[in-house]
Amino acid sequence: QKEVEQDPGPLSVPEGAIVSLNCTYSNSAFQYFMWYRQYSRKGPELLMYTYSSGNKEDGRFTAQVDKSSKYISLFIRDSQPSDSATYLCAMLGSNYQLIWGAGTKLIIKP
Amino acid sequence: DVKVTQSSRYLVKRTGEKVFLECVQDMDHENMFWYRQDPGLGLRLIYFSYDVKMKEKGDIPEGYSVSREKKERFSLILESASTNQTSMYLCASSFFGQGVSDEQFFGPGTRLTVL
Repeated sequence: QKEVEQDPGPLSVPEGAIVSLNCTYSNSAFQYFMWYRQYSRKGPELLMYTYSSGNKEDGRFTAQVDKSSKYISLFIRDSQPSDSATYLCAMLGSNYQLIWGAGTKLIIKP
Repeated sequence: DVKVTQSSRYLVKRTGEKVFLECVQDMDHENMFWYRQDPGLGLRLIYFSYDVKMKEKGDIPEGYSVSREKKERFSLILESASTNQTSMYLCASSFFGQGVSDEQFFGPGTRLTVL
């Protein structure tokens, strides 16, 4: 079993929809949770990060952590075609290295 | 603006060739990383370095070596390329700061095909 599970998609939604992207993890010691966005033919770039449980909001993006369920989510409101990308979750492991999800490919249809 | 550059966007090599992938960052970052990215597997860490001439194995170091002679440059070497090393290779760098969640800045990647 992988430490971090993420549905690779693709997830296709119409423009303006609310998008929910999710990851589950198995190690209850994880404390830092990150979302990176990767456009086609580019490297990933950090979108948001959260510490421990709770929500964090940045514009149209909300990151949510539920440590009791070992589940993290990224919500995108009013999705735009420019949000089409692969979204990768990452968590800080005990050796201070990032443990990555497989990435979910998101397609926003105009 | 942080910039991480990789020497090639696309590379085609033959089985058994020695392959060099170069990465340069211009932000004086201490940490540098090499990952490979394969569909369905996400990013897997090959090697990382937290200082000049220092290197640490990641999750999948077999078949690879690295070199860090200067702070800004981190090279990945495939001693004898094999077809199962066909992949996207991503270099990243970050500060060695107090924040354990220090952002990693990535290069655009090198798509390597081994025939």
